[in-house]
Amino acid sequence: AQTVTQSQPEMSVQEAETVTLSCTYDTSENNYYLFWYKQPPSRQMILVIRQEAYKQQNATENRFSVNFQKAAKSFSLKISDSQLGDTAMYFCAFPGSSNTGKLIFGQGTTLQVKP
Amino acid sequence: GAVVSQHPSWVICKSGTSVKIECRSLDFQATTMFWYRQFPKQSLMLMATSNEGSKATYEQGVEKDKFLINHASLTLSTLTVTSAHPEDSSFYICSATLGTGVGTEAFFGQGTRLTVV
Repeated sequence: AQTVTQSQPEMSVQEAETVTLSCTYDTSENNYYLFWYKQPPSRQMILVIRQEAYKQQNATENRFSVNFQKAAKSFSLKISDSQLGDTAMYFCAFPGSSNTGKLIFGQGTTLQVKP
Repeated sequence: GAVVSQHPSWVICKSGTSVKIECRSLDFQATTMFWYRQFPKQSLMLMATSNEGSKATYEQGVEKDKFLINHASLTLSTLTVTSAHPEDSSFYICSATLGTGVGTEAFFGQGTRLTVV
C-alpha cells in the first residue's frame, strides 16, 4: 500500500529565513509524481510544487524547491525567504493510483512564519 | 488555471436532515471528481471517486448510503449527506481533474464546512 508520512506536525520560522518540511513515502511504482500542497487559513488547497520521479533535477518554483531522494523515498520542501503569507498547513501528496488525480495526503505540517 | 467551485461554503443543518453539496468545474470538463473529508488540523481523507455517468467508487469504511454521490455531467458532482448526525460535522472538499495520466493535476474547490446540530 502507498503511504505518505510527514513527521513534523508544527514548525515555525522567522520571516526571511529558510525552512525545510520533510516527507517520506512508500510505493512500489517506478513512474510517479509527488506534490506539495498548501492550505492557508482560507482552507483553499493550492498546488505549490510537483516533482516527476524520473527527473533527477529537483523541481523549483520561485522560493519553493524540493529535495527529492528517490532511493530513500524522501521528498522535502524548502521554502526560502519565508514570507508571512507562507503561513499555512502544508501537505505532501502522492497519487493513490496512476492516471486518475486521486491523492493520498500526508498528515500535514502547520507552518507559522513569524515577523 | 482551472477553477473548481463548491457550494455552499458553509451549511448548518439539523440532525436527521439531508444536505447536498455541489462541486462544479467552471471552465473545463472534469474527467474525474473526488470527494475528501477533513477534520480540524488533520489531513484530507479520500471518501470517493466520481466519474460522469457511472457509480461512484467509495473508499473502504465510507458508507455509500450515507454519502450519496451523483455525477450528472462532466462539470457537476454532488455529495448528499443523508440523515446527518453531529459526527458528520466536518469540512468536505472536492477536487476535479482534467485528463488522465501520470502527474495529472487535481484542482480543488474551496471546501464546505458542514455543522450538524
